[in-house]
Amino acid sequence: DTGVSQDPRHKITKRGQNVTFRCDPISEHNRLYWYRQTLGQGPEFLTYFQNEAQLEKSRLLSDRFSAERPKGSFSTLEIQRTEQGDSAMYLCASSSPPSPWGTEAFFGQGTRLTVV
Amino acid sequence: AQKITQTQPGMFVQEKEAVTLDCTYDTSDPSYGLFWYKQPSSGEMIFLIYQGSYDQQNATEGRYSLNFQKARKSANLVISASQLGDSAMYFCAMREGDKIIFGKGTRLHILP
Repeated sequence: DTGVSQDPRHKITKRGQNVTFRCDPISEHNRLYWYRQTLGQGPEFLTYFQNEAQLEKSRLLSDRFSAERPKGSFSTLEIQRTEQGDSAMYLCASSSPPSPWGTEAFFGQGTRLTVV
Repeated sequence: AQKITQTQPGMFVQEKEAVTLDCTYDTSDPSYGLFWYKQPSSGEMIFLIYQGSYDQQNATEGRYSLNFQKARKSANLVISASQLGDSAMYFCAMREGDKIIFGKGTRLHILP
Protein backbone atom coordinates (compact mmCIF):
# COMPACT_ATOMS: atom_id res chain seq x y z
CA ASP A 1 0.00 0.00 0.00
CA THR A 2 1.50 3.30 -1.06
CA GLY A 3 -0.69 5.55 1.05
CA VAL A 4 -3.55 7.83 0.12
CA SER A 5 -3.71 8.61 -3.58
CA GLN A 6 -5.69 11.31 -5.31
CA ASP A 7 -6.51 11.75 -8.95
CA PRO A 8 -6.06 13.98 -10.83
CA ARG A 9 -3.24 15.98 -9.28
CA HIS A 10 -4.18 19.07 -11.24
CA LYS A 11 -7.40 20.13 -12.94
CA ILE A 12 -8.09 23.25 -14.93
CA THR A 13 -11.71 23.79 -15.85
CA LYS A 14 -13.90 26.50 -17.24
CA ARG A 15 -16.41 28.18 -15.01
CA GLY A 16 -19.71 26.38 -15.10
CA GLN A 17 -18.27 22.95 -15.83
CA ASN A 18 -18.57 19.96 -13.54
CA VAL A 19 -15.50 18.26 -12.11
CA THR A 20 -14.99 15.04 -10.20
CA PHE A 21 -12.04 14.06 -8.03
CA ARG A 22 -11.15 10.62 -6.77
CA CYS A 23 -9.47 9.54 -3.55
CA ASP A 24 -8.19 6.07 -2.74
CA PRO A 25 -7.53 5.76 1.00
CA ILE A 26 -5.17 3.41 2.78
CA SER A 27 -6.92 0.09 2.45
CA GLU A 28 -7.52 -0.73 6.11
CA HIS A 29 -8.71 2.78 7.01
CA ASN A 30 -12.45 3.11 7.50
CA ARG A 31 -12.49 6.88 7.90
CA LEU A 32 -12.08 9.20 4.94
CA TYR A 33 -11.98 12.99 5.02
CA TRP A 34 -12.17 15.72 2.41
CA TYR A 35 -10.63 19.12 3.02
CA ARG A 36 -10.22 22.28 0.97
CA GLN A 37 -7.11 24.40 1.29
CA THR A 38 -6.64 27.84 -0.22
CA LEU A 39 -3.30 29.59 -0.48
CA GLY A 40 -1.81 30.49 2.88
CA GLN A 41 -4.63 28.91 4.86
CA GLY A 42 -5.08 25.71 6.81
CA PRO A 43 -7.16 22.82 5.47
CA GLU A 44 -10.89 23.46 5.92
CA PHE A 45 -13.02 20.46 6.74
CA LEU A 46 -15.61 19.60 4.10
CA THR A 47 -16.98 16.17 4.93
CA TYR A 48 -16.07 12.76 6.21
CA PHE A 49 -17.12 9.15 5.86
CA GLN A 50 -17.05 6.19 8.17
CA ASN A 51 -17.06 3.26 5.79
CA GLU A 52 -19.72 4.18 3.21
CA ALA A 53 -21.72 6.45 5.52
CA GLN A 54 -21.28 10.19 5.15
CA LEU A 55 -21.45 11.33 8.76
CA GLU A 56 -20.89 15.04 8.65
CA LYS A 57 -20.86 17.84 6.10
CA SER A 58 -19.51 21.33 6.62
CA ARG A 59 -21.52 24.45 5.82
CA LEU A 60 -18.78 25.06 3.26
CA LEU A 61 -20.17 22.17 1.26
CA SER A 62 -22.83 23.91 -0.78
CA ASP A 63 -25.47 22.15 -2.85
CA ARG A 64 -23.06 22.15 -5.78
CA PHE A 65 -20.76 19.79 -3.92
CA SER A 66 -21.44 16.11 -3.45
CA ALA A 67 -19.27 13.34 -2.10
CA GLU A 68 -19.72 9.61 -2.19
CA ARG A 69 -17.92 6.58 -0.91
CA PRO A 70 -19.62 3.56 -2.41
CA LYS A 71 -18.71 0.27 -0.75
CA GLY A 72 -16.60 2.11 1.79
CA SER A 73 -13.47 2.10 -0.35
CA PHE A 74 -12.56 4.96 -2.71
CA SER A 75 -14.40 8.26 -2.58
CA THR A 76 -15.36 10.86 -5.15
CA LEU A 77 -15.95 14.57 -4.70
CA GLU A 78 -17.97 16.25 -7.43
CA ILE A 79 -18.38 19.98 -7.91
CA GLN A 80 -21.15 21.06 -10.23
CA ARG A 81 -21.28 24.38 -12.06
CA THR A 82 -17.82 25.36 -10.86
CA GLU A 83 -17.14 28.95 -9.83
CA GLN A 84 -13.84 30.80 -9.61
CA GLY A 85 -14.11 30.72 -5.83
CA ASP A 86 -13.86 26.93 -6.00
CA SER A 87 -10.22 27.21 -7.04
CA ALA A 88 -8.24 25.53 -4.28
CA MET A 89 -6.35 22.42 -3.30
CA TYR A 90 -8.70 19.58 -2.40
CA LEU A 91 -7.12 17.21 0.09
CA CYS A 92 -8.22 13.73 1.00
CA ALA A 93 -7.13 11.97 4.17
CA SER A 94 -7.85 8.63 5.77
CA SER A 95 -7.46 7.18 9.23
CA SER A 96 -8.29 4.13 11.26
CA PRO A 97 -10.68 4.47 14.22
CA PRO A 98 -9.52 6.79 17.02
CA SER A 99 -7.79 5.02 19.85
CA PRO A 100 -6.29 6.12 23.16
CA TRP A 101 -2.95 6.03 21.40
CA GLY A 102 -4.08 8.53 18.86
CA THR A 103 -4.81 8.05 15.24
CA GLU A 104 -3.46 10.60 12.84
CA ALA A 105 -4.94 11.18 9.45
CA PHE A 106 -2.76 10.36 6.46
CA PHE A 107 -3.09 12.77 3.60
CA GLY A 108 -2.91 12.39 -0.14
CA GLN A 109 -1.01 14.87 -2.26
CA GLY A 110 -4.16 16.72 -3.19
CA THR A 111 -5.93 17.82 -6.34
CA ARG A 112 -5.30 21.41 -7.30
CA LEU A 113 -8.35 22.87 -9.01
CA THR A 114 -8.15 26.02 -11.09
CA VAL A 115 -11.39 27.46 -12.41
CA VAL A 116 -10.88 29.93 -15.27
CA ALA B 1 -15.67 30.66 16.83
CA GLN B 2 -12.26 29.32 15.95
CA LYS B 3 -11.48 25.98 17.50
CA ILE B 4 -7.74 26.08 16.79
CA THR B 5 -5.79 29.32 17.04
CA GLN B 6 -2.26 29.80 15.81
CA THR B 7 -1.26 33.37 16.53
CA GLN B 8 2.06 33.43 14.69
CA PRO B 9 1.55 33.83 10.93
CA GLY B 10 5.30 33.68 10.35
CA MET B 11 8.53 33.12 12.25
CA PHE B 12 12.21 33.48 11.43
CA VAL B 13 14.66 31.39 13.43
CA GLN B 14 18.40 30.92 13.18
CA GLU B 15 19.54 27.42 12.27
CA LYS B 16 20.34 25.19 15.27
CA GLU B 17 18.19 27.25 17.62
CA ALA B 18 15.08 25.82 19.27
CA VAL B 19 11.71 27.17 18.17
CA THR B 20 8.28 27.10 19.76
CA LEU B 21 5.14 27.31 17.62
CA ASP B 22 2.04 28.33 19.54
CA CYS B 23 -1.35 26.65 19.43
CA THR B 24 -4.43 27.13 21.57
CA TYR B 25 -7.63 25.19 21.19
CA ASP B 26 -11.22 25.29 22.29
CA THR B 27 -13.39 22.29 23.02
CA SER B 28 -15.92 21.16 25.59
CA ASP B 29 -15.33 17.49 24.82
CA PRO B 30 -13.28 15.83 27.59
CA SER B 31 -11.80 13.39 25.07
CA TYR B 32 -9.83 14.89 22.23
CA GLY B 33 -6.50 14.63 20.47
CA LEU B 34 -4.06 17.24 19.27
CA PHE B 35 -1.78 16.93 16.25
CA TRP B 36 0.90 18.87 14.50
CA TYR B 37 1.46 18.59 10.76
CA LYS B 38 4.22 20.00 8.57
CA GLN B 39 3.51 21.15 5.03
CA PRO B 40 6.63 21.89 2.96
CA SER B 41 6.44 23.88 -0.25
CA SER B 42 5.83 20.64 -2.15
CA GLY B 43 2.39 20.56 -0.54
CA GLU B 44 2.15 17.21 1.21
CA MET B 45 0.88 17.14 4.79
CA ILE B 46 3.32 15.31 7.04
CA PHE B 47 2.23 14.10 10.47
CA LEU B 48 4.69 15.09 13.21
CA ILE B 49 3.31 14.40 16.67
CA TYR B 50 0.17 13.54 18.63
CA GLN B 51 -1.05 14.31 22.16
CA GLY B 52 -4.15 12.76 23.68
CA SER B 53 -6.23 14.73 26.16
CA TYR B 54 -5.75 12.07 28.83
CA ASP B 55 -2.02 11.66 28.30
CA GLN B 56 -0.13 12.51 31.45
CA GLN B 57 3.18 13.17 29.78
CA ASN B 58 4.07 15.52 26.97
CA ALA B 59 4.55 13.75 23.64
CA THR B 60 7.99 13.62 22.06
CA GLU B 61 9.10 12.41 18.64
CA GLY B 62 12.78 12.93 17.93
CA ARG B 63 13.42 16.67 17.71
CA TYR B 64 9.72 17.42 18.14
CA SER B 65 8.00 17.77 21.48
CA LEU B 66 4.55 18.99 22.37
CA ASN B 67 4.20 21.29 25.37
CA PHE B 68 0.69 20.35 26.50
CA GLN B 69 -0.90 22.62 29.08
CA LYS B 70 -4.41 21.31 29.46
CA ALA B 71 -5.74 23.94 31.86
CA ARG B 72 -4.61 26.68 29.51
CA LYS B 73 -5.79 24.72 26.45
CA SER B 74 -2.49 25.10 24.74
CA ALA B 75 -0.45 22.59 22.73
CA ASN B 76 2.71 24.28 21.57
CA LEU B 77 5.17 22.50 19.27
CA VAL B 78 8.83 22.71 20.20
CA ILE B 79 11.45 21.92 17.58
CA SER B 80 14.92 21.52 19.02
CA ALA B 81 18.10 22.18 17.06
CA SER B 82 16.29 23.55 14.02
CA GLN B 83 17.51 22.62 10.53
CA LEU B 84 17.12 24.30 7.16
CA GLY B 85 14.78 21.51 6.15
CA ASP B 86 12.38 22.54 8.90
CA SER B 87 11.33 25.55 6.83
CA ALA B 88 7.66 24.90 6.06
CA MET B 89 4.09 25.65 7.12
CA TYR B 90 3.12 24.05 10.41
CA PHE B 91 -0.48 23.29 11.30
CA CYS B 92 -1.95 22.48 14.67
CA ALA B 93 -5.02 20.27 14.50
CA MET B 94 -7.54 18.78 16.90
CA ARG B 95 -9.54 15.60 16.74
CA GLU B 96 -12.95 16.13 18.28
CA GLY B 97 -14.90 12.92 17.97
CA ASP B 98 -14.23 11.70 14.45
CA LYS B 99 -13.55 15.10 12.94
CA ILE B 100 -10.10 16.68 12.62
CA ILE B 101 -9.97 20.46 12.33
CA PHE B 102 -6.94 22.62 11.57
CA GLY B 103 -5.60 26.00 12.52
CA LYS B 104 -4.49 28.58 9.96
CA GLY B 105 -0.85 27.64 10.31
CA THR B 106 2.50 29.23 11.02
CA ARG B 107 5.10 29.65 8.31
CA LEU B 108 8.53 28.87 9.75
CA HIS B 109 11.68 30.13 8.06
CA ILE B 110 15.01 28.72 9.21
CA LEU B 111 17.90 31.07 8.47
CA PRO B 112 21.40 29.72 7.71
